[in-house]
Amino acid sequence: SAVISQKPSRDICQRGTSLTIQCQVDSQVTMMFWYRQQPGQSLTLIATANQGSEATYESGFVIDKFPISRPNLTFSTLTVSNMSPEDSSIYLCSVGDRLSVTEAFFGQGTRLTVV
Amino acid sequence: AQTVTQSQPEMSVQEAETVTLSCTYDTSESDYYLFWYKQPPSRQMILVIRQEAYKQQNATENRFSVNFQKAAKSFSLKISDSQLGDAAMYFCAYRSPPNGETSGSRLTFGEGTQLTVNP
Repeated sequence: SAVISQKPSRDICQRGTSLTIQCQVDSQVTMMFWYRQQPGQSLTLIATANQGSEATYESGFVIDKFPISRPNLTFSTLTVSNMSPEDSSIYLCSVGDRLSVTEAFFGQGTRLTVV
Repeated sequence: AQTVTQSQPEMSVQEAETVTLSCTYDTSESDYYLFWYKQPPSRQMILVIRQEAYKQQNATENRFSVNFQKAAKSFSLKISDSQLGDAAMYFCAYRSPPNGETSGSRLTFGEGTQLTVNP
């Protein structure tokens, strides 16, 4: 299994500002995933982050709004840029390995409120 | 693309009773993985149970079991002897098998079912 530390656990931000969320894993992993969970809704994949390459974004998500870094095999960041109240969500980091047939592991999530 | 549907937004059960949560999915793949995750108010996603599509035997994990009907693309979760700590949002999730660098542990989630356990 993997232990994932995600920071911050929650934040309240002013509209127009940016927030960077960090995800630290206790072991090297090939792939890291960032999900958004809007209030009362399911998880939607934002992007997949591989070390040493550009993140792959899902339809409806763009790099200018959600830039992602993946400097090594144990760490990634997601930035929510130029925030609006519609960005208020829980953001979750998840890790997995293409060779693994077990479940994905999740961080504890970041609850973001934009005012 | 795969889709996952949970048709029960909310369910309730009396403590010590049994409840079944429904999940259907759509896929053209023959090999895949299905999961039930639990999300309590702490927001932590906790794996409840997993099922490999190539296995005909239904997975069980203590009080949790699944009814996997591959032809019907159905994957329901049965919780026996419900406990107060089972109260949470439950998500059904689908994963394609590892295939190169592009799938990994990427999951497609259903809408979720909020389970309430009444004392």
